[in-house]
Amino acid sequence: KQEVTQIPAALSVPEGENLVLNCSFTDSAIYNLQWFRQDPGKGLTSLLLIQSSQREQTSGRLNASLDKSSGRSTLYIAASQPGDSATYLCAVPNYGGATNKLIFGTGTLLAVQP
Amino acid sequence: EPEVTQTPSHQVTQMGQEVILRCVPISNHLYFYWYRQILGQKVEFLVSFYNNEISEKSEIFDDQFSVERPDGSNFTLKIRSTKLEDSAMYFCASRPSGSIYNEQFFGPGTRLTVL
Repeated sequence: KQEVTQIPAALSVPEGENLVLNCSFTDSAIYNLQWFRQDPGKGLTSLLLIQSSQREQTSGRLNASLDKSSGRSTLYIAASQPGDSATYLCAVPNYGGATNKLIFGTGTLLAVQP
Repeated sequence: EPEVTQTPSHQVTQMGQEVILRCVPISNHLYFYWYRQILGQKVEFLVSFYNNEISEKSEIFDDQFSVERPDGSNFTLKIRSTKLEDSAMYFCASRPSGSIYNEQFFGPGTRLTVL
């Protein structure tokens, strides 16, 4: 059974710092991995989707990497800003399942201090 | 840009009442999902829907829950007799057909509060 975990659970950094969020999954058989942002009490905004055949995917100041064999993905945020403060979630589709339901990680709560 | 919409944004109900949460998926998508997130917990899968029928459901999705696509655009989640533990954020998602590599697009959620 696929399980997804994220560390750290919470992170506080000063504005301008580069930071890395981690996501681990127990079953390396995945189709892709999605990173989401969730603001307090709000919905899920898709940030990046990285396919199983890719090693990296970039969007602006965000860079996601994927190492299937070790069951890890990282989300790198460059030059962090207070507006980046949110919870970041990673999720993988259930491999071999009927409908590729997403299995979510526990999330990392990021606070960027001005 | 097309997006998934959900109504209402917040629903307050009394225990034992029926609620219907509504979603309008992206128009050319064919796979639809409901997830929920209890405060402080993980987002968890409830049910998926394809070709006018449930294709997969979780243990949470018991007889109190049902889904429907009453017309070509809406996708609804009904809870027949709400319980206190049904209080959560409910998210609708959709994805295109075809490739298993397609990403899922989420709506803004409905916050359900059961008193």
